[in-house]
Amino acid sequence: NAGVTQTPKFQVLKTGQSMTLQCAQDMNHNSMYWYRQDPGMGLRLIYYSASEGTTDKGEVPNGYNVSRLNKREFSLRLESAAPSQTSVYFCASSESGGFSYEQYFGPGTRLTVT
Amino acid sequence: QKEVEQNSGPLSVPEGAIASLNCTYSDRGSQSFFWYRQYSGKSPELIMSIYSNGDKEDGRFTAQLNKASQYVSLLIRDSQPSDSATYLCAGYDTGRRALTFGSGTRLQVQP
Repeated sequence: NAGVTQTPKFQVLKTGQSMTLQCAQDMNHNSMYWYRQDPGMGLRLIYYSASEGTTDKGEVPNGYNVSRLNKREFSLRLESAAPSQTSVYFCASSESGGFSYEQYFGPGTRLTVT
Repeated sequence: QKEVEQNSGPLSVPEGAIASLNCTYSDRGSQSFFWYRQYSGKSPELIMSIYSNGDKEDGRFTAQLNKASQYVSLLIRDSQPSDSATYLCAGYDTGRRALTFGSGTRLQVQP
């Protein structure tokens, strides 16, 4: 089992460009999450999907959109990148959306917006 | 206001000693807590979860939860240089219905 996979690993964008970060899990988990991690800020939740067909905003959703393509895949889209979106992005999954279940993280995408 | 607080460290301990990492939280309704280990440049790795008051042991790791005092701790026995990492505490925020992460404590185990 690969667990949670993310592509790409690194990306450099110019301000205003768009891109989609891909995430897939092979653990048959129901819930998936997108976080960003910035120095001194810890992990902050951007969006989550408690189950296939549902998505909800997290703590910092502005400037992002998500798609839960199927049970395995959950993508994060930046429509018009801004320097403030320079960060490390992590996708995670858990068995249930109740948050009482452990979340498992992918390897991350390091995004730089110039 | 940060709802899960950790001392950023670094916490430095000699090899073989017990490392004690602490975390406090403000949401009295939180029921679930997690400890993650994160090596520099890597993703968080779940090492312990705890849901009820008391201690939970797994190998060299012991998680402790005290809901009355609103703190969670992680003890690492027989610390090894390979334990050097940042340790993230996370709690389930009943208001936002989401996990809230602390900013992490950096642990350095000196050989």
